[in-house]
Amino acid sequence: EDQVTQSPEALRLQEGESSSLNCSYTVSGLRGLFWYRQDPGKGPEFLFTLYSAGEEKEKERLKATLTKKESFLHITAPKPEDSATYLCAVQARGTSYDKVIFGPGTSLSVIP
Amino acid sequence: DTGVSQNPRHKITKRGQNVTFRCDPISEHNRLYWYRQTLGQGPEFLTYFQNEAQLEKSRLLSDRFSAERPKGSFSTLEIQRTEQGDSAMYLCASSSSLRTSGSYEQYFGPGTRLTVT
Repeated sequence: EDQVTQSPEALRLQEGESSSLNCSYTVSGLRGLFWYRQDPGKGPEFLFTLYSAGEEKEKERLKATLTKKESFLHITAPKPEDSATYLCAVQARGTSYDKVIFGPGTSLSVIP
Repeated sequence: DTGVSQNPRHKITKRGQNVTFRCDPISEHNRLYWYRQTLGQGPEFLTYFQNEAQLEKSRLLSDRFSAERPKGSFSTLEIQRTEQGDSAMYLCASSSSLRTSGSYEQYFGPGTRLTVT
């Protein structure tokens, strides 16, 4: 069964304290892996797409990497405005629909 | 075009009432998706349209739920005879079927928060 898990469930960091979020997946026929940021009461905001193992993408203080089994979102020197829930999603090959499966998210709090 | 829009943003209804939500996708996107999200969980797929055709429905979608996308533009999601368990955030997303910018990523609207009392 296609599945996406994320760890940790919640993470508290001091401002400037770098860390990584993990996304593990089992899926048949990976089309792509997505990272989203979601602020409370709002819809998810697209961050990155990764397609193949070894691929990396960067945006400001965020860097996403992909292996055959998992993806990491590295946050370098985070600021309080980086506080949000980070969602990982995988797109799997289907018949009529390449389904997208979301993980439960990691809630990040960055303390000044 | 400023992105995906959804209306209303909040809806409070009594159990047993019918509700309808609207989604306006990004204009050049031909794919439209509906998701449901509850607290502490990721979005859960409900249904998918390519143009006006509804191509996929989740097995979790009961007969009380129906979605339409007339003329392949905006979409509506109707819930009949609402139950307290329907309380959730309902999210709409759109994407292109063309792998522009190297990806098929979905862009989400702000969501409609439904509370069933």
